Amino acid sequence: RKEVEQDPGPFNVPEGATVAFNCTYSNSASQSFFWYRQDCRKEPKLLMSVYSSGNEDGRFTAQLNRASQYISLLIRDSKLSDSATYLCVAPYYGQNFVFGPGTRLSVLP
Amino acid sequence: DTAVSQTPKYLVTQMGNDKSIKCEQNLGHDTMYWYKQDSKKFLKIMFSYNNKELIINETVPNRFSPKSPDKAHLNLHINSLELGDSAVYFCASSQRAGLAGGNEQFFGPGTRLTVL
Repeated sequence: RKEVEQDPGPFNVPEGATVAFNCTYSNSASQSFFWYRQDCRKEPKLLMSVYSSGNEDGRFTAQLNRASQYISLLIRDSKLSDSATYLCVAPYYGQNFVFGPGTRLSVLP
Repeated sequence: DTAVSQTPKYLVTQMGNDKSIKCEQNLGHDTMYWYKQDSKKFLKIMFSYNNKELIINETVPNRFSPKSPDKAHLNLHINSLELGDSAVYFCASSQRAGLAGGNEQFFGPGTRLTVL
């Protein structure tokens, strides 16, 4: 298994839809994870941190499943402004960590 | 007010040249990073410095040499540029090293390097 894998996308969803992405990781000892958002031709920006079982922030919910070694990101009531690439970050070894390849989301009017 | 800044924003140069990218953070963070994002959009870590000490050095050609004169600055020098070096290079910083909870990374705007 690669260090971090994500749903390939692109996900094209209508406004108001609920969409979920998954991210699998290989290091079973991993404790903390992040979801970042990257807009086209911009830098990545933190969306959510994920530790313990998960985290919720408004329309965004991140969940962690340690047994199956994946984290998920759920976006409810999608907005046009949610269109971006979503990057999962997981620890790899030591102080190193890996960004996933990203999942592209397009929210359509 | 910019938290993490990089210069230049765009860099177009010929193969074989030597170039540098500068990065500065005013967040008081201890750890800084260089990432490369290629045309396929994969974001890969290249180097990380913690308090001016190198702590992560991924499989990167030795034509790439990072330098951290102080913990607020991490510069990247590239010798003998090759076509395959064309990419967007992002600098980032975090409060401390590692991926502990709450230790988010703040990214600079990126430097788009094109090697002709």
